[in-house]
Amino acid sequence: GAVVSQHPSRVICKSGTSVKIECRSLDFQATTMFWYRQFPKQSLMLMATSNEGSKATYEQGVEKDKFLINHASLTLSTLTVTSAHPEDSSFYICSARDRIRTEETQYFGPGTRLLVL
Amino acid sequence: RKEVEQDPGPFNVPEGATVAFNCTYSNSASQSFFWYRQDCRKEPKLLMSVYSSGYEDGRFTAQLNRASQYISLLIRDSKLSDSATYLCVVNARGSQGNLIFGKGTKLSVKP
Repeated sequence: GAVVSQHPSRVICKSGTSVKIECRSLDFQATTMFWYRQFPKQSLMLMATSNEGSKATYEQGVEKDKFLINHASLTLSTLTVTSAHPEDSSFYICSARDRIRTEETQYFGPGTRLLVL
Repeated sequence: RKEVEQDPGPFNVPEGATVAFNCTYSNSASQSFFWYRQDCRKEPKLLMSVYSSGYEDGRFTAQLNRASQYISLLIRDSKLSDSATYLCVVNARGSQGNLIFGKGTKLSVKP
């Protein structure tokens, strides 16, 4: 099956620093990648849709200047949490859709646990 | 009304039991429906897609009732390895493929 990787898997940082998370589709090309956030005992919430070569589309309530998304190639999207604060601590998961397949299946990365002290 | 609603559980069942999960969705324009499973502190993994009124895959059966905006998942002969949180997921038409997740139903299968 399609494989999506994320790096890093876990990060601990000080308040005020920026953290970059990478999402890669390893064996397929993804024109669209999605970034989700999941707080404990909550459902996955879509933050933004990342489109290769164009600006990301953010969901209501998600600050685009705080969560910078770059989708520079068909296999890589990055999410940068700028000036992170403790309330940004969460499980960040990306997913990717295979540009060749017509079905709507999204393949999820293993997630990144962010802890902001 | 929440977009996708599920009974949070937990469902605690013995091995070999049959267990059913229910899910309702609010957007009548929804076109695609999925069940994912999520293990503790892991990413969701697709269990099955539900494109018609019923779909069976081994011990798992999913049913869709568009009129009632209701989806179900039935697990027969449950195994210890079935213990996980089961997420009902809906894709709304015209949403660029955005998935809307329910909070999930936690299943714990005991020996």
